[in-house]
Amino acid sequence: QKEVEQNSGPLSVPEGAIASLNCTYSDRGSQSFFWYRQYSGKSPELIMFIYSNGDKEDGRFTAQLNKASQYVSLLIRDSQPSDSATYLCAAISGYSTLTFGKGTMLLVSP
Amino acid sequence: EAGVTQSPTHLIKTRGQQATLRCSPISGHTSVYWYQQALGLGLQFLLWYDEGEERNRGNFPPRFSGRQFPNYSSELNVNALELEDSALYLCASSSPGHWDRGFHEQYFGPGTRLTVT
Repeated sequence: QKEVEQNSGPLSVPEGAIASLNCTYSDRGSQSFFWYRQYSGKSPELIMFIYSNGDKEDGRFTAQLNKASQYVSLLIRDSQPSDSATYLCAAISGYSTLTFGKGTMLLVSP
Repeated sequence: EAGVTQSPTHLIKTRGQQATLRCSPISGHTSVYWYQQALGLGLQFLLWYDEGEERNRGNFPPRFSGRQFPNYSSELNVNALELEDSALYLCASSSPGHWDRGFHEQYFGPGTRLTVT
């Protein structure tokens, strides 16, 4: 059973702080990893994807991948109240199927 | 560029009926994926269509079926509806190529909220 695990939260951070969201996966064959943001009642929106070990930065977002530890993380710098949402981690294994974690709720207080 | 579109936005059915949900992918995308997001269960993969063929199927009963049309749009059919089928059904699309190596991203539509009473 391929699984992606996330802490459900909520993770509460003050405005301007760094939010750190973590995810572990069970399938060592997973090749690609994605972070989606989902506001309540809305569909998931792709924020970042990462394929290689190390860090990938895009604006205020940094994705980190450690395949040896089967660990993916998302850092959000200078967190804003508008970043308050549920963040979904997903992994692709083999035949193009995305396995999602249940998401971590992030709350950014002004 | 238009995103993934889905219709209807909301659908109310009674137990035992059939529901048909529709999805149009981003222009140029050939793969369409269907997911179910039920309360407390997270996003669950249902079906994947590419170039008109069903490529993969999640752990759902056969009463969940679908198809992809020559213009790459897709339809999801749910027969013999049960109360637990009430959920947000999300369609996603991705561009062709490299899916066997996992090098592609999926973009979601706004979803269809199905309520079974």
